[in-house]
Amino acid sequence: QPVVTQSSSASASLGSPVKLTCTLNSGHSDYSIAWHQQQPGKAPQFLMKIEGSGNYIKGGGVPDRFSGSTSGADRYLTISNLQFEDEADYYCETWDRNVFIFGGGTRLTVL
Amino acid sequence: EVQLVQSGGGLVQPGGSLRLSCATSGFIFSRYWMTWARQSPGKGLEWVATIKVDGSEAYYVDSVKGRFTISRDNAKDSLSLQMSSLRPEDTAVYYCGRAPHRYENNRWYLHFDSWGQGTLVTVSS
Repeated sequence: QPVVTQSSSASASLGSPVKLTCTLNSGHSDYSIAWHQQQPGKAPQFLMKIEGSGNYIKGGGVPDRFSGSTSGADRYLTISNLQFEDEADYYCETWDRNVFIFGGGTRLTVL
Repeated sequence: EVQLVQSGGGLVQPGGSLRLSCATSGFIFSRYWMTWARQSPGKGLEWVATIKVDGSEAYYVDSVKGRFTISRDNAKDSLSLQMSSLRPEDTAVYYCGRAPHRYENNRWYLHFDSWGQGTLVTVSS
Protein backbone atom coordinates (compact mmCIF):
# COMPACT_ATOMS: atom_id res chain seq x y z
CA GLN A 1 0.00 0.00 0.00
CA PRO A 2 1.55 3.31 -1.04
CA VAL A 3 2.36 5.77 1.72
CA VAL A 4 0.25 8.48 0.05
CA THR A 5 -2.63 8.09 -2.39
CA GLN A 6 -4.60 10.61 -4.42
CA SER A 7 -7.58 10.42 -6.74
CA SER A 8 -6.40 10.63 -10.33
CA SER A 9 -8.86 13.31 -11.37
CA ALA A 10 -11.34 15.87 -10.11
CA SER A 11 -13.52 18.53 -11.66
CA ALA A 12 -15.55 21.48 -10.51
CA SER A 13 -17.23 24.52 -11.98
CA LEU A 14 -15.74 27.97 -12.25
CA GLY A 15 -16.35 29.90 -9.05
CA SER A 16 -17.26 26.84 -6.98
CA PRO A 17 -15.12 25.18 -4.27
CA VAL A 18 -13.23 21.92 -4.68
CA LYS A 19 -11.54 19.70 -2.11
CA LEU A 20 -8.64 17.44 -3.08
CA THR A 21 -7.56 14.60 -0.82
CA CYS A 22 -4.20 13.05 -0.03
CA THR A 23 -4.55 9.93 2.10
CA LEU A 24 -1.73 8.54 4.22
CA ASN A 25 -1.66 4.81 4.83
CA SER A 26 -1.89 3.19 8.23
CA GLY A 27 1.22 3.79 10.28
CA HIS A 28 1.70 7.20 8.69
CA SER A 29 -1.56 8.88 9.64
CA ASP A 30 0.20 11.50 11.77
CA TYR A 31 2.65 12.56 9.06
CA SER A 32 2.79 16.00 7.57
CA ILE A 33 2.53 16.38 3.81
CA ALA A 34 3.06 19.13 1.28
CA TRP A 35 0.86 20.08 -1.68
CA HIS A 36 2.27 21.26 -5.00
CA GLN A 37 0.55 22.65 -8.09
CA GLN A 38 1.85 22.01 -11.58
CA GLN A 39 0.21 24.01 -14.33
CA PRO A 40 0.53 22.64 -17.87
CA GLY A 41 4.06 22.90 -19.21
CA LYS A 42 5.43 24.49 -16.03
CA ALA A 43 7.53 23.49 -13.06
CA PRO A 44 5.72 22.50 -9.87
CA GLN A 45 5.04 25.20 -7.31
CA PHE A 46 4.80 24.67 -3.56
CA LEU A 47 1.37 25.50 -2.20
CA MET A 48 1.42 24.50 1.46
CA LYS A 49 2.56 22.13 4.15
CA ILE A 50 -0.12 20.46 6.29
CA GLU A 51 0.67 18.97 9.69
CA GLY A 52 -1.12 16.02 11.26
CA SER A 53 -2.55 18.50 13.75
CA GLY A 54 -4.35 20.28 10.92
CA ASN A 55 -2.13 23.34 10.97
CA TYR A 56 -1.00 24.42 7.55
CA ILE A 57 1.59 26.87 6.29
CA LYS A 58 1.25 28.31 2.79
CA GLY A 59 4.02 29.28 0.46
CA GLY A 60 4.63 32.91 -0.36
CA GLY A 61 2.23 34.35 -2.90
CA VAL A 62 -0.31 31.53 -2.68
CA PRO A 63 -3.79 33.08 -2.97
CA ASP A 64 -6.08 33.17 0.04
CA ARG A 65 -8.60 30.89 -1.66
CA PHE A 66 -6.21 27.97 -1.14
CA SER A 67 -6.45 26.36 2.29
CA GLY A 68 -5.55 23.11 3.99
CA SER A 69 -7.01 20.84 6.63
CA THR A 70 -6.71 17.38 8.19
CA SER A 71 -9.07 14.62 9.20
CA GLY A 72 -7.42 11.47 10.48
CA ALA A 73 -5.13 10.19 7.75
CA ASP A 74 -6.52 12.57 5.13
CA ARG A 75 -4.85 15.83 4.18
CA TYR A 76 -7.07 18.18 2.21
CA LEU A 77 -6.39 20.97 -0.21
CA THR A 78 -9.43 23.18 -0.62
CA ILE A 79 -9.71 25.75 -3.37
CA SER A 80 -12.60 28.14 -2.99
CA ASN A 81 -13.89 30.29 -5.85
CA LEU A 82 -12.23 28.11 -8.47
CA GLN A 83 -10.52 29.96 -11.34
CA PHE A 84 -9.52 28.75 -14.79
CA GLU A 85 -5.84 29.15 -13.85
CA ASP A 86 -6.35 26.55 -11.12
CA GLU A 87 -6.68 23.87 -13.79
CA ALA A 88 -3.52 21.88 -13.11
CA ASP A 89 -2.05 18.73 -11.65
CA TYR A 90 -1.82 18.64 -7.86
CA TYR A 91 0.70 16.46 -6.05
CA CYS A 92 1.13 15.66 -2.40
CA GLU A 93 4.39 14.40 -0.93
CA THR A 94 5.91 13.32 2.34
CA TRP A 95 9.27 12.15 3.65
CA ASP A 96 9.56 8.77 5.26
CA ARG A 97 12.63 6.77 6.20
CA ASN A 98 15.00 8.71 3.98
CA VAL A 99 12.74 8.68 0.95
CA PHE A 100 10.47 11.32 -0.55
CA ILE A 101 7.17 9.82 -1.64
CA PHE A 102 4.93 11.58 -4.15
CA GLY A 103 1.31 10.77 -4.69
CA GLY A 104 0.29 9.96 -8.25
CA GLY A 105 -1.23 13.39 -8.70
CA THR A 106 -4.77 14.69 -9.17
CA ARG A 107 -5.66 16.37 -12.46
CA LEU A 108 -8.12 19.15 -11.72
CA THR A 109 -10.42 20.29 -14.51
CA VAL A 110 -12.31 23.55 -14.25
CA LEU A 111 -15.66 23.31 -16.00
CA GLU B 1 13.47 36.07 -3.38
CA VAL B 2 14.37 32.40 -3.41
CA GLN B 3 15.73 31.35 -6.81
CA LEU B 4 16.89 27.97 -8.11
CA VAL B 5 18.30 28.21 -11.64
CA GLN B 6 19.14 24.99 -13.39
CA SER B 7 21.60 24.27 -16.17
CA GLY B 8 22.90 21.21 -17.96
CA GLY B 9 20.75 18.56 -19.52
CA GLY B 10 20.35 17.65 -23.17
CA LEU B 11 20.60 14.60 -25.38
CA VAL B 12 22.90 11.75 -24.39
CA GLN B 13 23.36 8.21 -25.66
CA PRO B 14 22.55 5.21 -23.49
CA GLY B 15 25.47 4.48 -21.21
CA GLY B 16 26.62 8.09 -21.33
CA SER B 17 27.04 10.68 -18.60
CA LEU B 18 25.63 14.11 -17.87
CA ARG B 19 25.89 16.67 -15.09
CA LEU B 20 23.05 18.88 -13.94
CA SER B 21 23.62 22.04 -11.92
CA CYS B 22 21.35 24.18 -9.76
CA ALA B 23 22.53 27.68 -8.81
CA THR B 24 20.70 29.16 -5.85
CA SER B 25 20.20 32.61 -4.36
CA GLY B 26 17.94 34.44 -1.95
CA PHE B 27 18.44 32.14 1.04
CA ILE B 28 21.20 30.66 3.20
CA PHE B 29 21.98 27.60 1.12
CA SER B 30 24.07 25.87 3.77
CA ARG B 31 21.06 25.64 6.10
CA TYR B 32 18.88 23.56 3.81
CA TRP B 33 18.78 19.97 2.66
CA MET B 34 18.55 19.96 -1.15
CA THR B 35 16.94 17.49 -3.47
CA TRP B 36 16.34 16.41 -7.07
CA ALA B 37 13.14 15.06 -8.56
CA ARG B 38 12.19 14.13 -12.12
CA GLN B 39 9.17 13.75 -14.32
CA SER B 40 9.07 11.38 -17.27
CA PRO B 41 7.00 12.49 -20.26
CA GLY B 42 3.31 12.37 -19.38
CA LYS B 43 3.99 10.92 -15.93
CA GLY B 44 3.94 12.11 -12.33
CA LEU B 45 6.73 13.41 -10.15
CA GLU B 46 9.40 11.01 -8.92
CA TRP B 47 11.97 11.76 -6.23
CA VAL B 48 15.59 11.11 -7.25
CA ALA B 49 18.02 12.15 -4.50
CA THR B 50 18.43 14.29 -1.38
CA ILE B 51 21.53 15.61 0.39
CA LYS B 52 21.97 16.92 3.91
CA VAL B 53 23.13 20.45 4.69
CA ASP B 54 26.80 19.57 4.96
CA GLY B 55 26.85 16.86 2.30
CA SER B 56 27.61 14.22 4.93
CA GLU B 57 24.75 11.99 3.86
CA ALA B 58 22.78 11.50 0.67
CA TYR B 59 19.80 9.37 -0.20
CA TYR B 60 18.73 7.97 -3.56
CA VAL B 61 15.79 6.25 -5.17
CA ASP B 62 16.72 2.61 -5.78
CA SER B 63 16.65 2.94 -9.58
CA VAL B 64 19.57 5.42 -9.62
CA LYS B 65 21.74 4.09 -6.79
CA GLY B 66 25.30 3.54 -7.96
CA ARG B 67 24.73 5.58 -11.13
CA PHE B 68 23.80 9.08 -9.90
CA THR B 69 25.64 11.23 -7.37
CA ILE B 70 24.17 14.29 -5.70
CA SER B 71 26.63 16.85 -4.37
CA ARG B 72 26.70 20.42 -3.15
CA ASP B 73 29.13 23.31 -2.84
CA ASN B 74 28.10 25.46 0.11
CA ALA B 75 30.75 28.05 -0.78
CA LYS B 76 29.12 28.55 -4.18
CA ASP B 77 25.49 27.97 -3.13
CA SER B 78 25.15 25.31 -5.77
CA LEU B 79 23.81 21.80 -6.13
CA SER B 80 24.76 19.17 -8.71
CA LEU B 81 23.59 15.82 -9.98
CA GLN B 82 26.18 13.70 -11.75
CA MET B 83 24.45 11.05 -13.84
CA SER B 84 26.28 8.13 -15.41
CA SER B 85 25.37 4.85 -17.09
CA LEU B 86 22.26 6.60 -18.32
CA ARG B 87 19.33 4.55 -19.57
CA PRO B 88 16.39 5.44 -21.81
CA GLU B 89 14.13 5.24 -18.76
CA ASP B 90 16.09 8.13 -17.20
CA THR B 91 14.60 10.40 -19.86
CA ALA B 92 12.74 13.08 -17.94
CA VAL B 93 12.58 16.70 -16.91
CA TYR B 94 14.74 17.03 -13.82
CA TYR B 95 13.97 19.55 -11.07
CA CYS B 96 16.12 20.70 -8.20
CA GLY B 97 14.37 21.59 -4.99
CA ARG B 98 14.91 23.10 -1.58
CA ALA B 99 13.86 21.00 1.41
CA PRO B 100 13.36 22.66 4.80
CA HIS B 101 13.91 20.13 7.57
CA ARG B 102 13.40 19.58 11.25
CA TYR B 103 14.12 16.71 13.64
CA GLU B 104 11.28 15.75 15.96
CA ASN B 105 10.05 12.57 17.63
CA ASN B 106 13.18 10.71 16.52
CA ARG B 107 12.64 11.35 12.86
CA TRP B 108 13.33 13.92 10.18
CA TYR B 109 10.53 15.97 8.62
CA LEU B 110 11.18 17.40 5.14
CA HIS B 111 9.20 18.75 2.26
CA PHE B 112 9.89 20.56 -1.01
CA ASP B 113 9.23 24.28 -0.71
CA SER B 114 10.94 25.70 -3.80
CA TRP B 115 11.56 24.28 -7.27
CA GLY B 116 13.94 24.99 -10.12
CA GLN B 117 12.60 25.63 -13.60
CA GLY B 118 13.43 22.11 -14.79
CA THR B 119 15.84 20.79 -17.39
CA LEU B 120 15.19 18.05 -19.95
CA VAL B 121 17.42 15.01 -20.13
CA THR B 122 16.89 12.74 -23.13
CA VAL B 123 18.65 9.39 -23.26
CA SER B 124 18.47 8.00 -26.77
CA SER B 125 20.68 6.66 -29.51
